[in-house]
Amino acid sequence: TQLLEQSPQFLSIQEGENLTVYCNSSSVFSSLQWYRQEPGEGPVLLVTVVTGGEVKKLKRLTFQFGDARKDSSLHITAAQPGDTGLYLCAGSLGGNEKLTFGTGTRLTIIP
Amino acid sequence: DVKVTQSSRYLVKRTGEKVFLECVQDMDHENMFWYRQDPGLGLRLIYFSYDVKMKEKGDIPEGYSVSREKKERFSLILESASTNQTSMYLCASSFSGQSTDTQYFGPGTRLTVL
Repeated sequence: TQLLEQSPQFLSIQEGENLTVYCNSSSVFSSLQWYRQEPGEGPVLLVTVVTGGEVKKLKRLTFQFGDARKDSSLHITAAQPGDTGLYLCAGSLGGNEKLTFGTGTRLTIIP
Repeated sequence: DVKVTQSSRYLVKRTGEKVFLECVQDMDHENMFWYRQDPGLGLRLIYFSYDVKMKEKGDIPEGYSVSREKKERFSLILESASTNQTSMYLCASSFSGQSTDTQYFGPGTRLTVL
């Protein structure tokens, strides 16, 4: 059973469009992180959210942690080819170092 | 600049062989992790270590063991490789045991077991 489900699994859009990807669970997480992985590399941390309802912005990327801390979303405005990659959410159930990773969303931005 | 290195980018082994995957970090981090990554399943934790000679099972430890004799090095061992262990293996490290810590990943080892 996958604790963190991401949707969609694949997304391919034109440069300049907006998009939202989702990370959902029936479990409550003490914190949640988003990572991006590019081909041939390991994941790289984008953001950490810890408070229910928290919103964080990183340039054109907006991250939101659900009020009940069971879900999160990533919104990208005016997508660029450099946004292409595998986006992974990862949550901590017990506040310790062990992370549960989501299933991933593979995003392709077409120039 | 933080760095996690893995001994091989690609590895091909035969069923039944003993396989060693090595990971080294240069950041003096306490915690180190081994994950496997399969399409549609994300990353699944195999083992992690929070100190030298200490280890804890992750979600899928069966068929794997680990060794951490020095703080900077964490090895993943497949005692008798099987075809269902064909996967991408990722090593990571983090400074402490906080869930909000950044995990720094290596580039991965793509293992094929024939």
